[in-house]
Amino acid sequence: SQQGEEDPQALSIQEGENATMNCSYKTSINNLQWYRQNSGRGLVHLILIRSNEREKHSGRLRVTLDTSKKSSSLLITASRAADTASYFCATENTGTASKLTFGTGTRLQVTL
Amino acid sequence: DTGVSQDPRHKITKRGQNVTFRCDPISEHNRLYWYRQTLGQGPEFLTYFQNEAQLEKSRLLSDRFSAERPKGSFSTLEIQRTEQGDSAMYLCASSLVEREKQYFGPGTRLTVT
Repeated sequence: SQQGEEDPQALSIQEGENATMNCSYKTSINNLQWYRQNSGRGLVHLILIRSNEREKHSGRLRVTLDTSKKSSSLLITASRAADTASYFCATENTGTASKLTFGTGTRLQVTL
Repeated sequence: DTGVSQDPRHKITKRGQNVTFRCDPISEHNRLYWYRQTLGQGPEFLTYFQNEAQLEKSRLLSDRFSAERPKGSFSTLEIQRTEQGDSAMYLCASSLVEREKQYFGPGTRLTVT
C-alpha cells in the first residue's frame, strides 16, 4: 500500500524556476528518501533525511522534514529541462526493517 | 560499482504462463529488495532478502509468486499462472546496510496478454 500522497500530482514550470514538491506520510519513520524516475526507467536516489534531521541540502536540492506534521518537501532550485521526471518520496517506517513505502509521486515537466 | 542489473528488460507473456525474472545486485550488497510498480503509481514492496534469507514478504506476494536468492548473490522472482493484473514494472534494489539508500535496477516490464 502507498504510504501517503505527494502534492502536486503534476507540476509544469519553465527552466530556471524553482520546483517544490510536498510529501505526507502516515506513521513514524526512521528516514525519508526522495527518488527520481525518468519515464519507464528505474529509480535514482536523490537524498535521504533521517527522522532527527530537519533540513538537508545536496547541490540544487533542499529537503525539509517535519515529523510533527508527518510531511516533507523537496525543493529543486534553478530547474533544468533534464530535471523533467517523476519524483517519489519513500519512507522507511519504524519497525519495518529497511523496506521502503513510496508515495504516489509528482510528475515534473520543465520546459525551455 | 557496476550497478544493479535486471534481466529481461521486457517480457510479454500470455495469461497462464510462468515467467521468471533475474536481479543481480551490486556485488558487496547483502540486502536485496523486490518492488512492483503499476502505471501512475509509486513502487510497492514485495519482498526482501538479507543474504540468502527471505526476511519479509508483502501480502501482495500471493502464492503464485516466489522469490529466491540461493547463494546470497543474484535473486529470481517467479510468477506462476500469470494473470493480466500482474502486468507491471518489477523493480529490484540492493543496499549495503539497513537505513541507507537503496540502489535500483532498470526494472523488468511485464505485459500479460
